[in-house]
Amino acid sequence: DQQVKQNSPSLSVQEGRISILNCDYTNSMFDYFLWYKKYPAEGPTFLISISSIKDKNEDGRFTVFLNKSAKHLSLHIVPSQPGDSAVYFCAANSGTYKYIFGTGTRLKVLA
Amino acid sequence: NAGVMQNPRHLVRRRGQEARLRCSPMKGHSHVYWYRQLPEEGLKFMVYLQKENIIDESGMPKERFSAEFPKEGPSILRIQQVVRGDSAAYFCASSQRQGAVSNTEAFFGQGTRLTVV
Repeated sequence: DQQVKQNSPSLSVQEGRISILNCDYTNSMFDYFLWYKKYPAEGPTFLISISSIKDKNEDGRFTVFLNKSAKHLSLHIVPSQPGDSAVYFCAANSGTYKYIFGTGTRLKVLA
Repeated sequence: NAGVMQNPRHLVRRRGQEARLRCSPMKGHSHVYWYRQLPEEGLKFMVYLQKENIIDESGMPKERFSAEFPKEGPSILRIQQVVRGDSAAYFCASSQRQGAVSNTEAFFGQGTRLTVV
């Protein structure tokens, strides 16, 4: 049972354009959502998070949007840079302890 | 402030041997999580531990796998009698939580890549 889904395994974007990574979830008890970035042979690095009481959180070039009614969140990166090329994981937490991860989206930013 | 430290980074074991993966959480963190990433898949939760306690091991196979987080020293994920299907990247994460507050991020180590030959 995949409670957190990232339906796009890969995404290619031109440098300077916007990257939009999507994530859907099924468990309405999730109340905290996170995005992690992962380079090959490294551990995931925390990028940005959002609490369920908000619908937007912004940090520099990264913005996360949460649509609770649709159980959907998205990560916007603008402008995209070649160094953003990585695998991005969406994760959710339900106030307990277990972080549930999606399967990841591989972003490739083309120079 | 050192991050989450995992060792070894790479581990090769023959079928039937034991694998021991170590994780030292970030300073001040008392919550440790182990995740496994199979090739082309996402991170799958295995086990959550606090000092001297296993809180949730629902993601860990019932046989051959065990985990501990002693009062002193790192957390250990132990895999006995390894098989080829155990080949994966094993990531440890730690967090600092206050009761049941969920709005904290988990910080990950660089992982241990286990190869069973």
